[in-house]
Amino acid sequence: NAGVMQNPRHLVRRRGQEARLRCSPMKGHSHVYWYRQLPEEGLKFMVYLQKENIIDESGMPKERFSAEFPKEGPSILRIQQVVRGDSAAYFCASSPARTENTEAFFGQGTRLTVV
Amino acid sequence: GENVEQHPSTLSVQEGDSAVIKCTYSDSASNYFPWYKQELGKRPQLIIDIRSNVGEKKDQRIAVTLNKTAKHFSLHITETQPEDSAVYFCAVGVKGYNKLIFGAGTRLAVHP
Repeated sequence: NAGVMQNPRHLVRRRGQEARLRCSPMKGHSHVYWYRQLPEEGLKFMVYLQKENIIDESGMPKERFSAEFPKEGPSILRIQQVVRGDSAAYFCASSPARTENTEAFFGQGTRLTVV
Repeated sequence: GENVEQHPSTLSVQEGDSAVIKCTYSDSASNYFPWYKQELGKRPQLIIDIRSNVGEKKDQRIAVTLNKTAKHFSLHITETQPEDSAVYFCAVGVKGYNKLIFGAGTRLAVHP
């Protein structure tokens, strides 16, 4: 089991460009959670998705950010017109179903740098 | 929504001493309390977790205690070693699914 896979590991974008971050959940997992970690801070919940559905997007910024988890393929976190404040580590975690009280398996993260 | 506070933000101990990190939360319905260790540039890794039906859990040098009435839980590391140096995060599971609300983190430094 390869675990939660995120790519790219590092991403550099100029201000105004788009960033696409990918997350493939663990085998057999159909639910994905995205978190953002700003430098020297804790992880902040962004969005929770299951296949083809957004369950909870209460942590997503209102503009420029979107997420999807299509029937086939990885979950995508998309940031349009990036700004320097978007520089952060973005982690995703997966779970097998709409469970609670179970370990969250994190991917290695994507470190986004906006220059 | 749930609010999690973590103290202290930094902690420096001598090798062999104990370290204690405390977290408080606001939602009395929360029932899952994991602790994560994060080394520089790496992903958070679960080191221990506790559910609301128990008050204490221990795994070798690491223990977690939970006081549901007071809505706080603590991480205890005994006989600290230099390799315990890292940032530690508490988290609270939102009832209903696997969403976690994290504390701000504690940077632990263990000096030889």
